[in-house]
Amino acid sequence: NAGVTQTPKFQVLKTGQSMTLQCAQDMNHNSMYWYRQDPGMGLRLIYYSASEGTTDKGEVPNGYNVSRLNKREFSLRLESAAPSQTSVYFCASSVRRSGNTIYFGEGSWLTVV
Amino acid sequence: TQLLEQSPQFLSIQEGENLTVYCNSSSVFSSLQWYRQEPGEGPVLLVTVVTGGEVKKLKRLTFQFGDARKDSSLHITAAQPGDTGLYLCAGAPDSWGKLQFGAGTQVVVTP
Repeated sequence: NAGVTQTPKFQVLKTGQSMTLQCAQDMNHNSMYWYRQDPGMGLRLIYYSASEGTTDKGEVPNGYNVSRLNKREFSLRLESAAPSQTSVYFCASSVRRSGNTIYFGEGSWLTVV
Repeated sequence: TQLLEQSPQFLSIQEGENLTVYCNSSSVFSSLQWYRQEPGEGPVLLVTVVTGGEVKKLKRLTFQFGDARKDSSLHITAAQPGDTGLYLCAGAPDSWGKLQFGAGTQVVVTP
């Protein structure tokens, strides 16, 4: 029962470095999401992909880019990491965009120093 | 600004006590979901409510959706240490809208 798998689990970056968070789901879901979770802020949507071939900005897209590589995979890229991007990142998927259960990955802890 | 306000932010109780967590908004939602998140893991869906006034029960957990579909509550009866976690509410403004999450209520149940 893999569900949503994201890598890496932990990463430390220096300011200005770039990296890509990988995410894959094996539930044949149409919609995929990237959230960040910060203390007291809850989950905030960075980008989402309603279906293969489409991506849209969420609440906090600045400093990030995404790629919906195929129906299974949705990656998040930080081109030039900043300390403000220190956070826990969650990839998630759902059958369709709204009203359905969202299934989350286990999270990626990113620290930018 | 959080569209969904959860209260309290933190709740610490003894095993066997009851607790209620609230999720409030000035906006109407077509549906509202409750998730529980344990340390080091992603949130997991507990329930979805879609009808104003709806009450759903999941063992010792009772979820209620307000009549006006602007608020919801989660009541836990006879809490157990296994209920410890971060409880998140999330609302969809319409059938096509993206889910909006509250900041969460951290619940700690001590033996």
